[in-house]
Amino acid sequence: SAVISQKPSRDICQRGTSLTIQCQVDSQVTMMFWYRQQPGQSLTLIATANQGSEATYESGFVIDKFPISRPNLTFSTLTVSNMSPEDSSIYLCSVKTGPTYEQYFGPGTRLTVT
Amino acid sequence: GQQVMQIPQYQHVQEGEDFTTYCNSSTTLSNIQWYKQRPGGHPVFLIQLVKSGEVKKQKRLTFQFGEAKKNSSLHITATQTTDVGTYFCAGIRSNDYKLSFGAGTTVTVRA
Repeated sequence: SAVISQKPSRDICQRGTSLTIQCQVDSQVTMMFWYRQQPGQSLTLIATANQGSEATYESGFVIDKFPISRPNLTFSTLTVSNMSPEDSSIYLCSVKTGPTYEQYFGPGTRLTVT
Repeated sequence: GQQVMQIPQYQHVQEGEDFTTYCNSSTTLSNIQWYKQRPGGHPVFLIQLVKSGEVKKQKRLTFQFGEAKKNSSLHITATQTTDVGTYFCAGIRSNDYKLSFGAGTTVTVRA
């Protein structure tokens, strides 16, 4: 497993602004992911954060809206750009640590856009 | 794209009773995982099933993977208040690493 922290834990933002969420892992991991979980809903994969290259986005998510960085094997950021109330959600990072496929999730960032 | 369906969406259980949540995929899965999310918490990995027909147990929890590797179930016996939360199944296709989550079953327990 891995110990994952996220900053901030929550934020309230005005529409039109941007927020950058940080994800820090206590060990080097092979893969990092970003998910969105809207209130009372399931998890939707936004993108896979690739170390040293551009993130791989899922259908419905684009780099201009959700730019992602992964400068090393323990850290990644997700920016939610030009926010609207529809972006209000919990954003979670997760990691895959080894050859098996289970993922370990960070505590999440609860974003409210007003 | 891959769809993982999960039912029921809500399960209200009397303490001490059993219940089952079911997942069904539109495509064959290479493996399926189960996660538990407590209210206000984040998903926590419970188990992974890989083999056709596989059955695994964790104390009062029994996990099954169907013979065709398209469906799975989680059965909890003698439900306790500590079982409260949302249980998600998540499937992985062959040659892929991405999880496709079911809608989740939210469990509440009446004492």
